[in-house]
Amino acid sequence: GAVVSQHPSRVICKSGTSVKIECRSLDFQATTMFWYRQFPKQSLMLMATSNEGSKATYEQGVEKDKFLINHASLTLSTLTVTSAHPEDSSFYICSARGAGLAGNTGELFFGEGSRLTVL
Amino acid sequence: DAKTTQPTSMDCAEGRAANLPCNHSTISGNEYVYWYRQIHSQGPQYIIHGLKNNETNEMASLIITEDRKSSTLILPHATLRDTAVYYCIVMIRGEKLTFGTGTRLTIIP
Repeated sequence: GAVVSQHPSRVICKSGTSVKIECRSLDFQATTMFWYRQFPKQSLMLMATSNEGSKATYEQGVEKDKFLINHASLTLSTLTVTSAHPEDSSFYICSARGAGLAGNTGELFFGEGSRLTVL
Repeated sequence: DAKTTQPTSMDCAEGRAANLPCNHSTISGNEYVYWYRQIHSQGPQYIIHGLKNNETNEMASLIITEDRKSSTLILPHATLRDTAVYYCIVMIRGEKLTFGTGTRLTIIP
């Protein structure tokens, strides 16, 4: 199946710093990418949807100025957590939906996730 | 607003078939039933999806009732590596995927 790669898989940062997480589609062009956040023992919560070349659409309650999303190319989307605080510590997961995939049946392909710990 | 209802947890003996139910009584005509699973500390993995007919692939089978108000995911010969949280999701193809709480399936040796 299609491969989506996230980097870094783990990151620890100090409170007040910014952290960037990359999400790449390795063997297909991702026309749409989604960013999710997951707290321990909870389900995935959709944060935002990004389409290549346009501004991201954020879910209700997600601060767009704090979670900056860039989808500048068809294979790369980035999530920047600005001025991170301990409550931003979470598991961040991206997913992608591609154009032109053989046998594409609408499913999303997920990255491995990035675990952020803010001290 | 949960579109699906799943049991919180289930156990299944290794080697037996695991049958995971899902209720989606308000499903609309153009909504598909998708199943994903999430192994601990990993991203979700697509399993299978269907609209009206039963479906089978190398991972699982999906049985959808005739009225489409419920479905069952079947893992024919469960292994320890199938221990995960299984999510049943209904959505229109191409739309965003919204996760519920899922079923925590534990395979018992």
